[in-house]
Amino acid sequence: AQSVTQLDSHVSVSEGTPVLLRCNYSSSYSPSLFWYVQHPNKGLQLLLKYTSAATLVKGINGFEAEFKKSETSFHLTKPSAHMSDAAEYFCGESSASKIIFGSGTRLSIRP
Amino acid sequence: DAGVIQSPRHEVTEMGQEVTLRCKPISGHNSLFWYRQTMMRGLELLIYFNNNVPIDDSGMPEDRFSAKMPNASFSTLKIQPSEPRDSAVYFCASSVGPNADTQYFGPGTRLTVL
Repeated sequence: AQSVTQLDSHVSVSEGTPVLLRCNYSSSYSPSLFWYVQHPNKGLQLLLKYTSAATLVKGINGFEAEFKKSETSFHLTKPSAHMSDAAEYFCGESSASKIIFGSGTRLSIRP
Repeated sequence: DAGVIQSPRHEVTEMGQEVTLRCKPISGHNSLFWYRQTMMRGLELLIYFNNNVPIDDSGMPEDRFSAKMPNASFSTLKIQPSEPRDSAVYFCASSVGPNADTQYFGPGTRLTVL
């Protein structure tokens, strides 16, 4: 069965420093991959989506993710963290007609 | 576009009572998904519909849970009877097509069963 592994349940960075949230997928082919963000007491919002075009995907709010087939990874990065980036982030992989989500990574930003 | 609309936003009920959660997907979207989110189990897919037909309900916890989609603009998730362990945030999401297209999430319903 397909699965998505988010390697860190919690990441804490200082404001202005880079962010790296790690995600590994399980498909042997090139799936559609997603990153969603969930702010407190809100629904999930799409950050970016990979669909076998360019391997580097740019999303909203300065986030981007790189698809690496050899590593089955789709890590999310941002060069400089902002206080407003504090949220829960979910990686997802397409599976038939649904998305398999990882367990989430909580991102904290230190002033 | 109003986005996915869920009601109520908050529901507090007593054990044994029937609970009905409602969802209006984005107009023109053909797939609808119900999720449950808890601290312990994270985000779980309960059931999804395509063109108003339930496609996969393998995530529905037990017979106390049922979902319907009588038309393209409305879906319900019902819990009868409710139990304290059903306390969670329930999200509805919709997408244009059936092939794992981008899902748009509603704001969620926070259910508390006492």
